[in-house]
Amino acid sequence: AQSVSQHNHHVILSEAASLELGCNYSYGGTVNLFWYVQYPGQHLQLLLKYFSGDPLVKGIKGFEAEFIKSKFSFNLRKPSVQWSDTAEYFCAVNARTGGFKTIFGAGTRLFVKA
Amino acid sequence: GAGVSQTPSNKVTEKGKYVELRCDPISGHTALYWYRQSLGQGPEFLIYFQGTGAADDSGLPNDRFFAVRPEGSVSTLKIQRTERGDSAVYLCASSSEGLGNTEAFFGQGTRLTVV
Repeated sequence: AQSVSQHNHHVILSEAASLELGCNYSYGGTVNLFWYVQYPGQHLQLLLKYFSGDPLVKGIKGFEAEFIKSKFSFNLRKPSVQWSDTAEYFCAVNARTGGFKTIFGAGTRLFVKA
Repeated sequence: GAGVSQTPSNKVTEKGKYVELRCDPISGHTALYWYRQSLGQGPEFLIYFQGTGAADDSGLPNDRFFAVRPEGSVSTLKIQRTERGDSAVYLCASSSEGLGNTEAFFGQGTRLTVV
């Protein structure tokens, strides 16, 4: 069965600090990978996604993620965070063949101090 | 509408009562998903529709939970004999394909509180 593990439940950073949120998944086949973000009071929104090709994926608002197949990882990064990045971030995995059930990690709450 | 719409946004019900939660997906999206999100957890898959049929209902926790999508658009999640443990935010999402190769758009969710 698929599973997703996010390493940090809470992260506190100062503005301009660099961010890396860890995500590991458990699935033996080919996967689609996603990062979703939920800003306070808003619904889940897609930040970026990986289906194939270049394992370094760039998303909105300066976020990027790198798929490392050998490590079953899809870590999210941003070189310099802003106060407006305060949100909850969810890593998600979907099996590509015959799959449609997207499994989410427990989420990481990021708080950026102004 | 422009996005996925869920009603009501909040629902408080007494233990043992029946509730219905509604989801209006983005027009033209064939795939529709229901998730449940408890405090401090990520969204937990409940059921997936492709068109009118439930393609995967393996996430429904027990037979008190049921969902329909009779015309391939609006979906209703139905919970019978509600229990306090059913309290959570119920999320609906839709996408234009069912194989996970496209983005799922989420609604704001329905916060269900069973007292």
